[in-house]
Amino acid sequence: GENVEQHPSTLSVQEGDSAVIKCTYSDSASNYFPWYKQELGKRPQLIIDIRSNVGEKKDQRIAVTLNKTAKHFSLHITETQPEDSAVYFCAATLPWGKSTFGDGTTLTVKP
Amino acid sequence: NAGVTQTPKFRVLKTGQSMTLLCAQDMNHEYMYWYRQDPGMGLRLIHYSVGEGTTAKGEVPDGYNVSRLKKQNFLLGLESAAPSQTSVYFCASSYTWDRGQSKNIQYFGAGTRLSVL
Repeated sequence: GENVEQHPSTLSVQEGDSAVIKCTYSDSASNYFPWYKQELGKRPQLIIDIRSNVGEKKDQRIAVTLNKTAKHFSLHITETQPEDSAVYFCAATLPWGKSTFGDGTTLTVKP
Repeated sequence: NAGVTQTPKFRVLKTGQSMTLLCAQDMNHEYMYWYRQDPGMGLRLIHYSVGEGTTAKGEVPDGYNVSRLKKQNFLLGLESAAPSQTSVYFCASSYTWDRGQSKNIQYFGAGTRLSVL
């Protein structure tokens, strides 16, 4: 089955710096790669996603890149703010809807 | 439009007891999922359903059963609870097709915190 590895497990940055989280996947059939943000005690919520026919997508301060050949994708957050502090999960999704999640990255943005 | 609703929000069980977690969605989604989330770990898929009357096993199905008798509801059952099933359980639902393209944004419920003593 699909295997998703996510790095780093924890990330601490100063406010205003950039943060990068990387994921690799194993199943070349995966064609949809969402990123979720989970604040403490809350449910995961989608922040950005990318399909396998696209190499990069940007939404204000966040961007996602995908390298299908290497089977890895990354989340980039620029100009980080304290409210960006949360756990971030990547996922690789097969065409029939089954997603495999990474183990998460705890991002701390220090004011 | 409530989205995905899970009941109950909290539950404490004794080892060997049984219970059912209910997930309801009002978005007419085809797919529904049950995950468990343990500290320091991601979301692990227990069971999922691609449509009314169908279910399939995920990564960690042992000790759980599910049913999808109605499109909007997905039930997760624990027949004989064990301490290892102490976890936070999330239900999610998603679309399948939108204008000829698969669309699988998962919308999550608020979670059920279960403790098994």
